Amino acid sequence: DTEVTQTPKHLVMGMTNKKSLKCEQHMGHRAMYWYKQKAKKPPELMFVYSYEKLSINESVPSRFSPECPNSSLLNLHLHALQPEDSALYLCASRPGPFMNTEAFFGQGTRLTVV
Amino acid sequence: DAKTTQPPSMDCAEGRAANLPCNHSTISGNEYVYWYRQIHSQGPQYIIHGLKNNETNEMASLIITEDRKSSTLILPHATLRDTAVYYCIVRVFNFNKFYFGSGTKLNVKP
Repeated sequence: DTEVTQTPKHLVMGMTNKKSLKCEQHMGHRAMYWYKQKAKKPPELMFVYSYEKLSINESVPSRFSPECPNSSLLNLHLHALQPEDSALYLCASRPGPFMNTEAFFGQGTRLTVV
Repeated sequence: DAKTTQPPSMDCAEGRAANLPCNHSTISGNEYVYWYRQIHSQGPQYIIHGLKNNETNEMASLIITEDRKSSTLILPHATLRDTAVYYCIVRVFNFNKFYFGSGTKLNVKP
């Protein structure tokens, strides 16, 4: 199994809603990533987890709250988002932080904030 | 991470080789060059990576110049399904960060 699975595929939420994005991998990878991608732009790194601990936060606003409850699962909790937060949210994983390996990406969650 | 520079778009005829350049003139000795592609807002797909030697796999070849300041991704026989945005990424070996550059939109035409 070489897949990174993201759910849901599409999400529409109001600015006062609380929702969560989910990312799952069963490859035994210990580094997991969240990226945000706006239309016609490259993915932008948001967060990196290494061995279930947050290792990198790219100055992301607190309305985005990541969580890594175990080595297979990564969540992104969303609260009080703005319309400009509408984007494709991508999850990725790698075997570990000190390995020369590629990252595997999920297909993303298309988020629309209304 | 070293910054990468890529042309915004390129055209290629179907069946011909596609050569996609990437400039990474500030690359350091322990930074690897990775190539990914993204087809129409799907998740990025890994293609190939290397440090200083040329690399080849079933998808593509990666040619890195001797001074490592630039590289070229070669798709030997481009098909219409290779139409995508191709990203060149430079990553420090023992760090977790993967920063994407602006990418090259490859248009493969019949």
